[in-house]
Order: sequence, then C-alpha cells, then structure tokens
Amino acid sequence: SQQGEEDPQALSIQEGENATMNCSYKTSINNLQWYRQNSGRGLVHLILIRSNEREKHSGRLRVTLDTSKKSSSLLITASRAADTASYFCATDDSGGGADGLTFGKGTHLIIQP
Amino acid sequence: SAVISQKPSRDICQRGTSLTIQCQVDSQVTMMFWYRQQPGQSLTLIATANQGSEATYESGFVIDKFPISRPNLTFSTLTVSNMSPEDSSIYLCSVVPDRVNTEAFFGQGTRLTVV
Repeated sequence: SQQGEEDPQALSIQEGENATMNCSYKTSINNLQWYRQNSGRGLVHLILIRSNEREKHSGRLRVTLDTSKKSSSLLITASRAADTASYFCATDDSGGGADGLTFGKGTHLIIQP
Repeated sequence: SAVISQKPSRDICQRGTSLTIQCQVDSQVTMMFWYRQQPGQSLTLIATANQGSEATYESGFVIDKFPISRPNLTFSTLTVSNMSPEDSSIYLCSVVPDRVNTEAFFGQGTRLTVV
C-alpha cells in the first residue's frame, strides 16, 4: 500500500524559480528518499535523509524531515528546464531496505523556459 | 552503485498471452524488487526476489499471475501471465546493493500495453 501523500500533484513554475514539494507518510520510517522520474522511465535517486536527521543538502536540492509531523519537503533552487520530471518520495520502513520502498503519489514538476 | 539492464523496454501484447521481463545487474546483489506503475500513478511493490529463497509477494499480487525467477545474484525475470488490458503498466526492477544506505537503483522499465 502507498504510504506517502505528496502535494502538490502538479507544479508549474518559471525557470530560475524555486520549487517545493511536500510528502507525508503514516508509519515509522528508517529513512526517506526522493527520486526523479523522466517521462515514465526508470527512477533516479536524488537524496536520502535518515530518521535522525532534520535537513540535508545536495547541490541545488534541500530536503527536510519532520518525524513528529511525519512529513518531508524537497526544495529545488534555481530551477532549470531539465528539472522537468515527476518527483517521488519513498520510505524505507523496515531498515536495511529488505522490504522494498513505499512510494508516494508523486509531484509532476514542469519548468517553463 | 548498480547498473541494471531491463528488457524489453516496451511491448504490445494480446490479451491472454504472457510476457517475460528480464533484468540483468552489473554486480551481485542480494535484494531485488519488482514494481508496477500504472498509468499516471506511483510505484507499487509487486514482490521481493532475493536469491536463494522464494519470492515474497505483496498483498494483491500472486505467484500464478506474476511468477518470478532469481537464478543467481545478477539476474531475475518477472512474467506477467494471462494478460488483460488492466495489466497495461510500466514494470520496473530495482536493487538495493547497500543495506546501510538503502539507495535503490532502477532499470529503465518495461512499458507494457495489452490490447
């Protein structure tokens, strides 16, 4: 079953603006990960944040995690046309990845040139 | 890291037939997973296919419909049996090479259309 609920479901912004996507989940997690999917192809891992971390950065990406609210956000700064894709949060509930990942519904991001 | 070669990349199949999807990994990994992504939807885990044990299926998925083989640590197949239009989806294999970081790597997916 799906754990994550993401909002917005779709987001369209101008190139150069920042994009923020949110994810909520229901159960305790070991870590939360964000993935990007271009045009229904394979997913690419973006960033992982552990349950004992609150914020993490990677290049233009910033992820926050609030375990008390069971929510996470992904911020993409200075967006580019190439950032157009679907973004999914995914939780590792069991630890060690042994039970696979539980994916959110995703946010479809469109960057207008 | 891991690089996964998944094939076919797409197929159009007649209802009632079966399709076998293959995933080849460039390194030995214990944990491999198969996901389904229905049109416009997110990913749903079908089963876990660890080498040396029977595949473990998630609720709503059964072995007769989605038989899985995992003959070694670098290869797996998923068969979609007796297909109907409702099986039209993208099927993705995934591996988790590192049990500490648990970052998942995905194949490029198989886009299946059943007519």
